[in-house]
Amino acid sequence: DTGVSQDPRHKITKRGQNVTFRCDPISEHNRLYWYRQTLGQGPEFLTYFQNEAQLEKSRLLSDRFSAERPKGSFSTLEIQRTEQGDSAMYLCASSLEAGPSYEQYFGPGTRLTVT
Amino acid sequence: KQEVTQIPAALSVPEGENLVLNCSFTDSAIYNLQWFRQDPGKGLTSLLLIQSSQREQTSGRLNASLDKSSGRSTLYIAASQPGDSATYLCAAPVDSGTYKYIFGTGTRLKVLA
Repeated sequence: DTGVSQDPRHKITKRGQNVTFRCDPISEHNRLYWYRQTLGQGPEFLTYFQNEAQLEKSRLLSDRFSAERPKGSFSTLEIQRTEQGDSAMYLCASSLEAGPSYEQYFGPGTRLTVT
Repeated sequence: KQEVTQIPAALSVPEGENLVLNCSFTDSAIYNLQWFRQDPGKGLTSLLLIQSSQREQTSGRLNASLDKSSGRSTLYIAASQPGDSATYLCAAPVDSGTYKYIFGTGTRLKVLA
């Protein structure tokens, strides 16, 4: 069990460019979550996968955002035509199942800066 | 709609003090409550998970309690150390399907040597 990993850890991009982030959950965890955290705030839910199925998307996730989890393993989050307001920490979490006794384990995050 | 509030927003204490961080939630029908630690620029480290059927959980110098009727959870840190300096976040899941978390804004703790 190596924990949740995310890549890259930092990304600086110019406005209008596309970026893609990767999350590798803890193996055998079938639940995967993406959250976004801006400075001084708590994380906010973006989207959620159960295995390969994306079951819920927050209204924070505009149509410039797309997430996938092929084969129910790693997940990618792509942002097209980035805007300065997209600058934030993007956090990935996984859990074995959903239920009161199941913790969400978070990765180190990807910090995005849009210039 | 579940809302999670943390008070105080920031706290500075001398080393060795015992301290309490507060987390309030508006919907008492929570499934569990999880406390996290976040160091600057880093991800979240899970500290304690309290299931809705439990009253408290302990790990080392940390003790978390849950009172659903009053909509409150507290994180007690005994004998604080400079290494405890971090932001502490509480989160409660909503929706028995997704278990997506609603987070508070955190308490930024600084323990002075």
